[in-house]
Amino acid sequence: EAQVTQNPRYLITVTGKKLTVTCSQNMNHEYMSWYRQDPGLGLRQIYYSMNVEVTDKGDVPEGYKVSRKEKRNFPLILESPSPNQTSLYFCASSSQGADTEAFFGQGTRLTVV
Amino acid sequence: EDQVTQSPEALRLQEGESSSLNCSYTVSGLRGLFWYRQDPGKGPEFLFTLYSAGEEKEKERLKATLTKKESFLHITAPKPEDSATYLCAVQANSGYALNFGKGTSLLVTP
Repeated sequence: EAQVTQNPRYLITVTGKKLTVTCSQNMNHEYMSWYRQDPGLGLRQIYYSMNVEVTDKGDVPEGYKVSRKEKRNFPLILESPSPNQTSLYFCASSSQGADTEAFFGQGTRLTVV
Repeated sequence: EDQVTQSPEALRLQEGESSSLNCSYTVSGLRGLFWYRQDPGKGPEFLFTLYSAGEEKEKERLKATLTKKESFLHITAPKPEDSATYLCAVQANSGYALNFGKGTSLLVTP
């Protein structure tokens, strides 16, 4: 089954404690991205990757890092989380071929206290 | 700058009462316009891609249409299980990022 898998689904952490949210896809997609979703603001792109070792900033990259060492994995790293990073996070992947619709993971609800 | 505006923000329908959701957009070179359905606490689920003005796509009770400035998602004889937030997003020719609207929250009551 084609899918994007995120872990963990829920996470409560304290300010300043480094964390990583993992994302893996099994569709051999080149393009992967991270979004955050906040009430009244909708989905906003944090970072994206066009392929292995190629990453770039999206609309709201401050406070986040990413890496793309393998095609299937695209972890999101918060080096020093702050309360304003409390949000619902989604990983997505898509092909760069004819059909470019994005497939989304189930989401990670992060609370930073 | 690409912009996507969805209306209405919320819509309540009786079961069987057809209606339309609107997505107005501005983009410098449209690669595609996408419709997604999102249930509470879950990831967006892909519904349709439209690539050029005049294109239409259907899936069960849903039909999406596209003009040069807007897209409509028509819902015919909706059922309670159609209740969800419907998201519209545009993708420019310059890349693969999706620029989302804020969504329309649809509630269908029996």
